[in-house]
Amino acid sequence: NAGVTQTPKFRVLKTGQSMTLLCAQDMNHEYMYWYRQDPGMGLRLIHYSVGEGTTAKGEVPDGYNVSRLKKQNFLLGLESAAPSQTSVYFCASRSDLRTGENEQYFGPGTRLTVT
Amino acid sequence: GDSVTQMEGPVTLSEEAFLTINCTYTATGYPSLFWYVQYPGEGLQLLLKATKADDKGSNKGFEATYRKETTSFHLEKGSVQVSDSAVYFCALRPMNRDDKIIFGKGTRLHILP
Repeated sequence: NAGVTQTPKFRVLKTGQSMTLLCAQDMNHEYMYWYRQDPGMGLRLIHYSVGEGTTAKGEVPDGYNVSRLKKQNFLLGLESAAPSQTSVYFCASRSDLRTGENEQYFGPGTRLTVT
Repeated sequence: GDSVTQMEGPVTLSEEAFLTINCTYTATGYPSLFWYVQYPGEGLQLLLKATKADDKGSNKGFEATYRKETTSFHLEKGSVQVSDSAVYFCALRPMNRDDKIIFGKGTRLHILP
């Protein structure tokens, strides 16, 4: 199993450009999450999904959109990138709590720079 | 609201020193508590967890005990190694909330040979 993978690993955007980050998991997990990590701020939740076809806002959703059309994929979109969105983005997934497991599995991260 | 507070870093220790990273939380009831570790250039990995009061989580020589009376979950290791250099995150999942985890800001640990 590959676990949680993220594409791309690095990206540089100009202000106003758009892009989509892809997260894929092969563990049949119900829950998926997008976080951003900034120095001194820890991890902040952007959006999350509790199952295929569902999405919900997290702590810092503005400027981002997400989609969960397939259970294994969770896409994070930036429609008009801003320098404030320069960050490292992490995707995570977790199985339904009814299985007794409550660990989140993280991807390796995407480093995004907006100039 | 629910929150996690952990000691600010960086923490610098010599190899074989004793490590404590403090973590306290604010939450109602009995949240689940976690320590995650992030090695350079990687995502977070679960290090250990505890799901009820007085539980002790342990892994790779690290330990943390769920203390309800002091709302704490301090991370300890008796003898650190250079390979333990990483960022450590304390986290909680609120009771009866299965959709999200709240992370502390992280503590960077440097171990000198």
